[in-house]
This record gives sequence, structure tokens and C-alpha cells, in this order.
Amino acid sequence: DTGVSQNPRHKITKRGQNVTFRCDPISEHNRLYWYRQTLGQGPEFLTYFQNEAQLEKSRLLSDRFSAERPKGSFSTLEIQRTEQGDSAMYLCASSYDRGRGEKLFFGSGTQLSVL
Amino acid sequence: DQQVKQNSPSLSVQEGRISILNCDYTNSMFDYFLWYKKYPAEGPTFLISISSIKDKNEDGRFTVFLNKSAKHLSLHIVPSQPGDSAVYFCAAPTNAGGTSYGKLTFGQGTILTVHP
Repeated sequence: DTGVSQNPRHKITKRGQNVTFRCDPISEHNRLYWYRQTLGQGPEFLTYFQNEAQLEKSRLLSDRFSAERPKGSFSTLEIQRTEQGDSAMYLCASSYDRGRGEKLFFGSGTQLSVL
Repeated sequence: DQQVKQNSPSLSVQEGRISILNCDYTNSMFDYFLWYKKYPAEGPTFLISISSIKDKNEDGRFTVFLNKSAKHLSLHIVPSQPGDSAVYFCAAPTNAGGTSYGKLTFGQGTILTVHP
């Protein structure tokens, strides 16, 4: 049983650089979510996909952020021109739509540090 | 606007005793609540949930209670074990009436430490 996989686990970058994270969901799940978590806070919703369609984006997702899920399989989250405020844990989760029974399965996250 | 609040950043209990983790919410539209547990260097994992039509849901050592009039829920762990030491988040779907119950608003989390 392979869970949700995220790569890389850690990313250190300099301010102004672009970074890209990858998420491989559980294969039979049709929904994929991105969340961001900062120290001392709970995860915050960023965006989600149903199959390949991006259905919703949070106001937290500025124009520098873009997410894709080509062919409804893996997903990438790109941050352009990184800022120190982007430093956080980026969590990916997948699920199968079951209405109220929908449960998210999270990956271990990518920890981003912007210097 | 913090719609889901966990006002206790940490809780320490002795093995075998009861752990009670609390959560308050402000949005009366919330109709479903979940608890997730997170170990260091891992993502959150689902623990237990409750619908607003119920006031209690039990799963083994874990019981969640919901008091809708007070907009308060609590997670009871009995008996507590050292392996329960983790961060616990309560959460609620924020897409009320929408298409996704996976868009969650999380509380800040409570760090539970169970001492042997």
C-alpha cells in the first residue's frame, strides 16, 4: 500500500529563486489537495483538483504560485520568485470523493526554507 | 478570522489516564468535524470524525463529543498511551453545501505528551 509521496522532503532556496514540488497521490484517488503549514499553526488550504481540473484556489495562493495535475495523476506546485514568507511545510493530500465521508490522506510534506 | 480554535497549545498526561483535547468553532454552518493526529516528520493522519446530527462518536479508545449549542467539541483518549504523543488537530469542512468535504479549516493544534 503506497501512500501519498512528496518530493523533495526538504528544499532550501535563496529569495527570488523558483522552486517546484511534486506530489504522487494514492493511485485510485481522484482528488488532490495542497495545504501549507507554518510553525504553530494548522494546515491551511491552498488548492484542490478533481482529476485534472483545478476546482478551487485559496486567496492565499498568490500569482506567484501555480499548481498543475496533468492527466489527473501526479501534481506539481511551483512557486516563482520565492520570498521569505513562503517558508513553510507544503503538504499534499489525496482522497476519493465520498461526500461527508471524504478523508484526506496526507504525504509527509516538503519543508521549504527561503533564505 | 480563526474559525476553529484550539486554545491549549499543549497537554501532558500520565500513561493510563484520560486525555481530553478541546476545540471551539465559530461558524454555525459547520456540520461535520474531524480530528487528525500528526507525528513529527509525517503528514497528519485521520483519527475520528463526527457529524453535527450526533453528539458522540466512539472508536476504540477515542471518543469525540460535540456540543453544538456551545460550538465546542472534545476528543477523549482513554486510556492514554505513550504512542499517543503527537499533535492533534481538529478540523471542519469549509465548503458548506459545496462540492468538496476535503477543503478543511484546521485548528492550531494541541501537542499531547503521554508520560510512561
